[in-house]
Amino acid sequence: DGGITQSPKYLFRKEGQNVTLSCEQNLNHDAMYWYRQDPGQGLRLIYYSQIVNDFQKGDIAEGYSVSREKKESFPLTVTSAQKNPTAFYLCASITGATGELFFGEGSRLTVL
Amino acid sequence: EDQVTQSPEALRLQEGESSSLNCSYTVSGLRGLFWYRQDPGKGPEFLFTLYSAGEEKEKERLKATLTKKESFLHITAPKPEDSATYLCAVRVPDDYKLSFGAGTTVTVRA
Repeated sequence: DGGITQSPKYLFRKEGQNVTLSCEQNLNHDAMYWYRQDPGQGLRLIYYSQIVNDFQKGDIAEGYSVSREKKESFPLTVTSAQKNPTAFYLCASITGATGELFFGEGSRLTVL
Repeated sequence: EDQVTQSPEALRLQEGESSSLNCSYTVSGLRGLFWYRQDPGKGPEFLFTLYSAGEEKEKERLKATLTKKESFLHITAPKPEDSATYLCAVRVPDDYKLSFGAGTTVTVRA
């Protein structure tokens, strides 16, 4: 079945370490997104990519980096420059025709 | 700046007690209003897209409506399995981004 796969589901990081969250989709979607979710807040956009080898910063890009070398893959790196990285991270892709986002199951990052 | 506000933050219902959730938005042009359901520790699940004022969509016990400034998600005779956080999002023309509200957490007691 087509869908979006995020890994790992749970991740623990020590302060000062970079970590990379994986996102793979087999829906043949052109655009992919990374959102961050904190308790009591809406989803906030970190980065998005409309085509391969191109991506744009969202509202909270500081301390994060991405790459888009393949249409199917959009990994997110949480760097040591991100001051408060503990959160639930959601990857999504979009159907161009209807505009709704399809989401992965999320990755929960905890900084120890 | 585009803004999406959902109310109430939390809603506790008795099984069978119908209610409505509100999503108000201030955007310069609307290219779609989206409703999602999110269970704890899971990714949001798409429910509806509404494009123009007066439009309505239904799915089982859920019905979404849209006006020029807000949308309502009506839950009719809810069951415990309807317990979840319901998210609203809007998209504007010429923009691939969706702006999300903070969500309404619905708890339905048997």
